[in-house]
Amino acid sequence: QQPVQSPQAVILREGEDAVINCSSSKALYSVHWYRQKHGEAPVFLMILLKGGEQKGHEKISASFNEKKQQSSLYLTASQLSYSGTYFCGTSPNNAGNMLTFGGGTRLMVKP
Amino acid sequence: SQTIHQWPATLVQPVGSPLSLECTVEGTSNPNLYWYRQAAGRGLQLLFYSVGIGQISSEVPQNLSASRPQDRQFILSSKKLLLSDSGFYLCAWSGSSFYGYTFGSGTRLTVV
Repeated sequence: QQPVQSPQAVILREGEDAVINCSSSKALYSVHWYRQKHGEAPVFLMILLKGGEQKGHEKISASFNEKKQQSSLYLTASQLSYSGTYFCGTSPNNAGNMLTFGGGTRLMVKP
Repeated sequence: SQTIHQWPATLVQPVGSPLSLECTVEGTSNPNLYWYRQAAGRGLQLLFYSVGIGQISSEVPQNLSASRPQDRQFILSSKKLLLSDSGFYLCAWSGSSFYGYTFGSGTRLTVV
């Protein structure tokens, strides 16, 4: 069963913040976050492993609540380049690193 | 550095025709390899994954098959395409469960 992402879409002005959530009904070993520009392949942003860690990547960070089986992606002081569709991918174990992806969150940053 | 190559970029095929998409990885050995399909405006659906030569696992029963004849080569095939096979096909590799995926540039398949 695929994880559920929310919101499905969000529109921001440059400099605004956004949070994208990813929830699973299964216990998780890892959560990945990817960004996909229109017509292109998804690009890896970060991975969070079992243990409830929080990671940061420039102005994009994420948290992983293992108990709640949820992850959140935080985009702060958004830039035009942040526009795209964000996907979370989840894995219940460390065998083969197979991911089930959520339906995606479309993010549009306007000037 | 590691690179992944996927071809062709675009393909238009008639219903009932065969399909062969190829993906190769350079700069690493024994990668985990994956085939995903993405319908327009939708998420990514895992089709096949492989942890080694000749080891293929299928996630979705359908008229597609995959093969891994060499360590860094992954092939997606079909004997007879259906209209529902249209989509954006993505090959990806990862080193282990501690690493993210690197996707190929994708093949946009239209079955007519």
